[in-house]
Amino acid sequence: AQSVAQPEDQVNVAEGNPLTVKCTYSVSGNPYLFWYVQYPNRGLQFLLKYITGDNLVKGSYGFEAEFNKSQTSFHLKKPSALVSDSALYFCAVRDMGTGRRALTFGSGTRLQVQP
Amino acid sequence: DGGITQSPKYLFRKEGQNVTLSCEQNLNHDAMYWYRQDPGQGLRLIYYSQIVNDFQKGDIAEGYSVSREKKESFPLTVTSAQKNPTAFYLCASSRQERNQPQHFGDGTRLSIL
Repeated sequence: AQSVAQPEDQVNVAEGNPLTVKCTYSVSGNPYLFWYVQYPNRGLQFLLKYITGDNLVKGSYGFEAEFNKSQTSFHLKKPSALVSDSALYFCAVRDMGTGRRALTFGSGTRLQVQP
Repeated sequence: DGGITQSPKYLFRKEGQNVTLSCEQNLNHDAMYWYRQDPGQGLRLIYYSQIVNDFQKGDIAEGYSVSREKKESFPLTVTSAQKNPTAFYLCASSRQERNQPQHFGDGTRLSIL
């Protein structure tokens, strides 16, 4: 079975400050990990993914994520937050080997960036 | 432009009525998925399909049905057996490889009259 936990329902940060959105995962084998962003009444937009290799993954709009196998975490980060980054963020996982192919999503974290 | 089109954007269902949500993709993806989104619960998988004429139940398939007669199309029917259908429904597609992301449509919001 595969699962994802996003421990914070909401993260508040001031514009220009660094932001972190937390994600931990559980899979039976090795993971493929993904981050998505959702704006109101829209679908999910893909931000970045971890497959193998470098633990720091860079994605769209200046976002990056750090894979930590020992802590089973894949936290989303950005050095300097923008008001326009305010949205709902989802972490997702898929087992590399067996198991179902559909992504399993966390419950989402709402990011609020204050001007 | 390639993408996923969901229609309608808003849909209302009467008691005892079946309704069908449309999902069409022109990305040439083999796999397609339906998710339900409720506030505070993230996305829950309803059905998915890896190839034409084949599909599997997800975590919350009861009260829903699907078909996959064409590669481009994966319609979802919300039947009268689904007692709490009010939600935001998202369709997605992807290539077969496990390291590929899923791409999403802009959703259909279903409400009860």
